[in-house]
Amino acid sequence: DAGVTQSPTHLIKTRGQQVTLRCSPKSGHDTVSWYQQALGQGPQFIFQYYEEEERQRGNFPDRFSGHQFPNYSSELNVNALLLGDSALYLCASSSVKSTDTQYFGPGTRLTVL
Amino acid sequence: GESVGLHLPTLSVQEGDNSIINCAYSNSASDYFIWYKQESGKGPQFIIDIRSNMDKRQGQRVTVLLNKTVKHLSLQIAATQPGDSAVYFCAEKWGTSYGKLTFGQGTILTVHP
Repeated sequence: DAGVTQSPTHLIKTRGQQVTLRCSPKSGHDTVSWYQQALGQGPQFIFQYYEEEERQRGNFPDRFSGHQFPNYSSELNVNALLLGDSALYLCASSSVKSTDTQYFGPGTRLTVL
Repeated sequence: GESVGLHLPTLSVQEGDNSIINCAYSNSASDYFIWYKQESGKGPQFIIDIRSNMDKRQGQRVTVLLNKTVKHLSLQIAATQPGDSAVYFCAEKWGTSYGKLTFGQGTILTVHP
């Protein structure tokens, strides 16, 4: 039973560029949440997708957007990258039958130069 | 419940000792709490969760205690092993939230052989 997978593992971009991160949820899960984790801090909630709609959003600017596909996989897009966007981006999946229990993927390490 | 910086609390124990990691949560309306273990370079790994209608829950070698009066959560690890060394995060979900988890700052656990 595959867990949550994310790609790519690492990514290096320059300021002003755009980036797309990908996530496949755990088998049987239909809800995907994205978090940003800066070095030495806990994860910060970006948004959550269910039924291909964003149904909750954290305190992040519109430069952060997402998408969920019919197969429940998801993408996180960040436009006009800033140095401060450098972080570990985590995807977590859950089932609407048990939305509270979220299982995390290994993350994508984004470095903005 | 927001992480506050780079200076995480630390706990250092000997192999075989019991460990207790504490967490103060922020919102009295939170109805679900969860503990995660995060090893260096990896995503958070689910350990155990508890709902607000309970005050104690046990798993394999772990126990979570919830004190709603003082908004305090603890994780007890029995017979701590070197493989338990990691950063431990508590997270809370507010009752009105679909699935946003708000994380604490984390505690670094180091287990010495």
